[in-house]
Amino acid sequence: NAGVTQTPKFQVLKTGQSMTLQCAQDMNHEYMSWYRQDPGMGLRLIHYSVGAGITDQGEVPNGYNVSRSTTEDFPLRLLSAAPSQTSVYFCASSYKATRSSQETQYFGPGTRLLVL
Amino acid sequence: TQLLEQSPQFLSIQEGENLTVYCNSSSVFSSLQWYRQEPGEGPVLLVTVVTGGEVKKLKRLTFQFGDARKDSSLHITAAQPGDTGLYLCAYFGSNTGNQFYFGTGTSLTVIP
Repeated sequence: NAGVTQTPKFQVLKTGQSMTLQCAQDMNHEYMSWYRQDPGMGLRLIHYSVGAGITDQGEVPNGYNVSRSTTEDFPLRLLSAAPSQTSVYFCASSYKATRSSQETQYFGPGTRLLVL
Repeated sequence: TQLLEQSPQFLSIQEGENLTVYCNSSSVFSSLQWYRQEPGEGPVLLVTVVTGGEVKKLKRLTFQFGDARKDSSLHITAAQPGDTGLYLCAYFGSNTGNQFYFGTGTSLTVIP
């Protein structure tokens, strides 16, 4: 198993450009999520999905869209990039949609995004 | 939601030294998780502690959950360069959408 994969690893955008960050998992996990990591802020949840066709907002959803058409894929879209979206983005997945405080989340390697 | 305070924020030590990092809150948690994030990688779960006073060991790493379930510590014995990374604690918010919330982390550098 490849686990959780993310592409691209690095991306530079100009303000106003759009792009899609890709995330895929091959573990048949029901739950997938997107976090952003900023210095001094820790990991903050952007959007999540409990299964194909079901998505919901996390703590910091503004400026981002998601969709979940398959169990495996969970892309994150930036419609009009802003410098405040400069960050490292992590995709994560876990086995069950029914969350548990003892579950294991598996993280991808991250996408480093710079918005100029 | 930043209910978790981690300290110290940065720590640089020599190989072979011992260290302790802390994860504190004024709130009571049903459990806490510890992750290690190596440079350029995503976080990896190390342990989940669920019972007040619980101690779990993972080789040279010892994790403790406070008796009142408000805090946790991670002690590393005889640190090695491979321990270098960002150590994150996280709690599960069952009252706030069943999501995990992370502290800001302790960045550890072990110098050979």
